[in-house]
Amino acid sequence: LAKTTQPISMDSYEGQEVNITCSHNNIATNDYITWYQQFPSQGPRFIIQGYKTKVTNEVASLFIPADRKSSTLSLPRVSLSDTAVYYCLVGALGGGGNKLTFGTGTQLKVEL
Amino acid sequence: NAGVTQTPKFQVLKTGQSMTLQCAQDMNHEYMSWYRQDPGMGLRLIHYSVGAGITDQGEVPNGYNVSRSTTEDFPLRLLSAAPSQTSVYFCASRKQGTGNTIYFGEGSWLTVV
Repeated sequence: LAKTTQPISMDSYEGQEVNITCSHNNIATNDYITWYQQFPSQGPRFIIQGYKTKVTNEVASLFIPADRKSSTLSLPRVSLSDTAVYYCLVGALGGGGNKLTFGTGTQLKVEL
Repeated sequence: NAGVTQTPKFQVLKTGQSMTLQCAQDMNHEYMSWYRQDPGMGLRLIHYSVGAGITDQGEVPNGYNVSRSTTEDFPLRLLSAAPSQTSVYFCASRKQGTGNTIYFGEGSWLTVV
């Protein structure tokens, strides 16, 4: 199982772009990279998922370099409501990938 | 579509009592799992299931039992509650072929006194 490393916390201001990087040096060939957002007293919520290169949806972009040993979640123009914990998850269904485990996440704090 | 439903949302137990946290999903997902989250911490995997009749242990399985008699339900049983099991419990499910797209329930807050 690929171990992930993220910054413990990040601070930003409204309207700025925020980039959170996750390191996963021992990522396996079949592993996906997935990011989740968690607000206090709620379950985590899926944000975005990718395998390689760049993925973009209505809320975020995910950048994955060619070696796939890291990934960067990009949140454009954050607002106060983006204050949350963000988790990077690396794994795959099947084999040992059924035992998906989360790291400690990155606490993002957005201020005015 | 209800998604992943957990009950109860809040529960207080005395040390040594047993109870079952219920989890149901209506998305026909093959995979279901239970996580616990202690204050200020990340999620830790307790047990998971890849389909009806199949369960396996996660990172922190001691003190918990699970069963998967149907695709929809995945109850978590605390055998003899201890204060160390005070936590928030999240049930989750995902469908085969969707990578790591996991759907979480709203959580069950458990306090053991």
